[in-house]
Amino acid sequence: GAGVSQSPRYKVAKRGQDVALRCDPISGHVSLFWYQQALGQGPEFLTYFQNEAQLDKSGLPSDRFFAERPEGSVSTLKIQRTQQEDSAVYLCASRYGTLEETQYFGPGTRLLVL
Amino acid sequence: AQRVTQPEKLLSVFKGAPVELKCNYSYSGSPELFWYVQYSRQRLQLLLRHISRESIKGFTADLNKGETSFHLKKPFAQEEDSAMYYCAPAVNNTNAGKSTFGDGTTLTVKP
Repeated sequence: GAGVSQSPRYKVAKRGQDVALRCDPISGHVSLFWYQQALGQGPEFLTYFQNEAQLDKSGLPSDRFFAERPEGSVSTLKIQRTQQEDSAVYLCASRYGTLEETQYFGPGTRLLVL
Repeated sequence: AQRVTQPEKLLSVFKGAPVELKCNYSYSGSPELFWYVQYSRQRLQLLLRHISRESIKGFTADLNKGETSFHLKKPFAQEEDSAMYYCAPAVNNTNAGKSTFGDGTTLTVKP
């Protein structure tokens, strides 16, 4: 079956523009994570969903960042009034269940804010 | 605060040589330890996890709780091992098991 998919793969936004990034996890995966990866750094945790419940959003850098997963499958990460420092690769990962199981990553969305 | 340190940004070895990618962590509680790998133009993927005590593609990782280290080792490196490697401890709190990633080590295996 298909792995985790993300769209768009690339996004160029003007500063101040709103963007929406989509993640399609593996079917049946309960857990969904969003990470932000700046150039030359490792992925940094943004937020976590268990089904439709957002259980941890401690990594969201500001209130301009908002994530949802209304039906417990597809998730959207929205960034309002984008700033240059938001430029990064945004990774989505899904996992069937518990910590011991494998986390599967999507290809990422590369966001460039001009 | 949870911290992961991968001291080598770049590591270069010749084919057939042993390789060790270092990882030190500072974590409250008892984290589970993972190594992830990203090959050129591919997505990030799990390489191995400590809980499974496994060897994947010839790689092993030993957990040293005293030194809080989880170094990744391979006795004979191959060119196809060239990739970016991330150490990523995770703690199962709030049902998340979210990972904290190091900044990665780029391994280049020269012919």
